[in-house]
Amino acid sequence: RKEVEQDPGPFNVPEGATVAFNCTYSNSASQSFFWYRQDCRKEPKLLMSVYSSGNEDGRFTAQLNRASQYISLLIRDSKLSDSATYLCVVILNTGGFKTIFGAGTRLFVKA
Amino acid sequence: DTGVSQDPRHKITKRGQNVTFRCDPISEHNRLYWYRQTLGQGPEFLTYFQNEAQLEKSRLLSDRFSAERPKGSFSTLEIQRTEQGDSAMYLCASSSMARRSQSDTQYFGPGTRLTVL
Repeated sequence: RKEVEQDPGPFNVPEGATVAFNCTYSNSASQSFFWYRQDCRKEPKLLMSVYSSGNEDGRFTAQLNRASQYISLLIRDSKLSDSATYLCVVILNTGGFKTIFGAGTRLFVKA
Repeated sequence: DTGVSQDPRHKITKRGQNVTFRCDPISEHNRLYWYRQTLGQGPEFLTYFQNEAQLEKSRLLSDRFSAERPKGSFSTLEIQRTEQGDSAMYLCASSSMARRSQSDTQYFGPGTRLTVL
């Protein structure tokens, strides 16, 4: 079992739709959580951190469920420019810090 | 430009050759990371430095791979006797960790795309 798992998609949605991605992690030593966005042949860019209380940034909402060991990302009112791969990132604290990326979920937003 | 920079952006080499990549982190970031990414996968952690100390290495980092950060600023990643399976995007990231418990937000460079023929 992978340490961080995501549905690879692709998710094909029309503009204006709401779409949600989940990411599950297996290690209870997971300490910090992030969502990154990666465009084709570009580097990953931080989208948002994920906090236990949940957090929102404009059209994006992230949630963390430690009991069930998953994080989620909700995108409202999808734009064409939201088309990208969304990477779930978990940082483990096992004495040292280890960063684990999911394989990503591809999103296509169509007009 | 104060972001993470990497050089070269592209490298084509023949199997068996050695290659070296350079990463310049965001100024004053004390942590520097190397990752490898292949098509359809997320970045895979290779190693990281806190200042000049290499604190962790992945099992992916075979003895043909070596990374250095001699003065705690830029870093180099060398691959010796390259193999076709080494073809990938090599990403560098940096972060600033003031305290061990602080959340580690990493900022990525544009990557070096390696093709081994």
